[in-house]
Amino acid sequence: EAGVTQFPSHSVIEKGQTVTLRCDPISGHDNLYWYRRVMGKEIKFLLHFVKESKQDESGMPNNRFLAERTGGTYSTLKVQPAELEDSGVYFCASSQLPHRSSEGNEQFFGPGTRLTVL
Amino acid sequence: ILNVEQSPQSLHVQEGDSTNFTCSFPSSNFYALHWYRWETAKSPEALFVMTLNGDEKKKGRISATLNTKEGYSYLYIKGSQPEDSATYLCAYLSYNTDKLIFGTGTRLQVFP
Repeated sequence: EAGVTQFPSHSVIEKGQTVTLRCDPISGHDNLYWYRRVMGKEIKFLLHFVKESKQDESGMPNNRFLAERTGGTYSTLKVQPAELEDSGVYFCASSQLPHRSSEGNEQFFGPGTRLTVL
Repeated sequence: ILNVEQSPQSLHVQEGDSTNFTCSFPSSNFYALHWYRWETAKSPEALFVMTLNGDEKKKGRISATLNTKEGYSYLYIKGSQPEDSATYLCAYLSYNTDKLIFGTGTRLQVFP
């Protein structure tokens, strides 16, 4: 079974430019999450999709960030315009089971996209 | 504000040493505690998902315990090997939400 994949693996852009990150979850997983790790800090939640709907977007930093999941399959996260503080590793995760399942809601992570804003 | 704390921040050990890390988390609204092993540029790999107070789980040389009443979990590595070098992350999941709240991780380096 293929895991969560993310593209690109690394992106270097200049301040003010636009970048779009893509995540392909494990096939059949309705839940898709975006997280971000800024250097030296903890991984922080950005938002959660259930199929194509945004279940929780409380972690999105500001309106320069736009996440979509059209058709409930892959998701994109666009940053426009990028700022220096947006640099970090953006992780995507997916899960199959609904919350409060007996399995503790394991989330499967992709390798991340390392974004560097110069 | 929910905080998850991990200690130590980093650890250097010799091959063959046994080691352990601590994760502390809020004891209220507890649902699950996740441990991940993460190497840079790779996917964080789930080690354990723990839900019950008193849980003890084991995978090879790695084991973990859980105390939900006092809000802590220990991860143990017996006989550390160089390939165990990685960052070990714990993450708390509450009943109220689906978002994982991570600690900053413990970075382990095992020297041959």
